[in-house]
Amino acid sequence: QVTLKESGPVLVKPTETLTLTCTVSGFSLSNARMGVSWIRQPPGKALEWLAHIFSNDEKSYSTSLKSRLTISKDTSKSQVVLTMTNMDPVDTATYYCARIDPQKYGMDVWGQGTTVTVSS
Amino acid sequence: DIQMTQSPSSLSASVGDRVTITCRASQSISSYLNWYQQKPGKAPKLLIYAASSLQSGVPSRFSGSGSGTDFTLTISSLQPEDFATYYCQQSYSLRVTFGPGTKVDIK
Repeated sequence: QVTLKESGPVLVKPTETLTLTCTVSGFSLSNARMGVSWIRQPPGKALEWLAHIFSNDEKSYSTSLKSRLTISKDTSKSQVVLTMTNMDPVDTATYYCARIDPQKYGMDVWGQGTTVTVSS
Repeated sequence: DIQMTQSPSSLSASVGDRVTITCRASQSISSYLNWYQQKPGKAPKLLIYAASSLQSGVPSRFSGSGSGTDFTLTISSLQPEDFATYYCQQSYSLRVTFGPGTKVDIK
């Protein structure tokens, strides 16, 4: 069974750096063309894609957030890590990680999401 | 970046109705278009990939069509469990983008 689970702080202060971890099971991050995306959703708003990373270590970032994001993976730990610098209250959101099916180019399995609030 | 738009932004429908949601890309994305369903408090669920392929386990009342810039998600006979928000997403570009969503609620 394929699962993904996000973990990280519930509350961060403005200007701090957020570090989120996505732990996957049921598949390997080294599988050919396998990828993991991070997506967020502010309360009551639409989904916003943030970044993704593939098994060959190819990475891509949202144009508007590129300067603040870093994505990496640790295949041995089955983890994908996203860091976002200089957090602001507008970054308050539920953050999801999702697997990118290499055959479908779609995000076929999602984590349950983790809610992050930015407040002093 | 490729911009995605959806129409309508919301709609009210009754059980048994045929529902159609439209998604448009700002440039051609071939068939690299996916549809997701999201219920309140839950993660999105992949319904349709590659514009018209039904994800495993998704009821056949859901269908997708289109290519290039214009796409459609159709629910042939709306069921109570289908009341949700629907998002399109392009995977043509490495910089993935989602549409703004269409909320389907009960009339």
